[in-house]
Amino acid sequence: QSVLTQPPSVSAAPGQKVTISCSGSRSTIGDNYVSWYQQLPGTAPKLLIYDNNKRPSGIPDRFSGSKSGTSATLGISGLQTGDEADYYCEAWDSTLSAGVFGGGTKVTVL
Amino acid sequence: EVQLEESGGNMVKPGGSLRLSCAASGFTFSNYSMAWVRQAPGKGLDWISSISRNSNYIFYADSVGGRFTISRDNAKNSLYLHMNSLSAEDTAVYYCARVPYGHPDYWGQGTLVTVSS
Repeated sequence: QSVLTQPPSVSAAPGQKVTISCSGSRSTIGDNYVSWYQQLPGTAPKLLIYDNNKRPSGIPDRFSGSKSGTSATLGISGLQTGDEADYYCEAWDSTLSAGVFGGGTKVTVL
Repeated sequence: EVQLEESGGNMVKPGGSLRLSCAASGFTFSNYSMAWVRQAPGKGLDWISSISRNSNYIFYADSVGGRFTISRDNAKNSLYLHMNSLSAEDTAVYYCARVPYGHPDYWGQGTLVTVSS
């Protein structure tokens, strides 16, 4: 049972857009920044979005992030076959004083 | 270039112990908090332990508290995880991650720990 809640899977055709939701609480998403990670099969997670909506250098602008209240959303536009991966949200938990992750969402390109 | 390289993963019997290491390079190690995040086969990411820059603050998830010990050696640019009383539930890939402001930004490639008789 993850502290942050994500849908298990989403799918769309190439070129379309998908959104992945991440629901938390006041002590997690409500009071702190959200990060998003992409994990391609057999590899380590990679930072996609930090501070709710900022992209590290090298991450294409097809990836976007937003936050409202105790929920956050990752958007992937212009979907490509190479985007097939698991995506995780993460936020600091002010109660635990540690980070917590969502359960992950598998993106499938139809 | 920031690099994190874990080592020490192995197969161990239930009740056994193991020490994982993470060698850091490409950044000033002593300026960053660090964390261990594990991923059981087919499961999601689980933040199990973290340590502040000067080791003043340490966190353990309930699942590993009392059995695992995190430590760091800033002079050697290294992070460690001592694991005792291992059980099958500890079987996972263990990642070390750099954690600026509470959010991992760089991850190692992971090291596999398998607990099996």
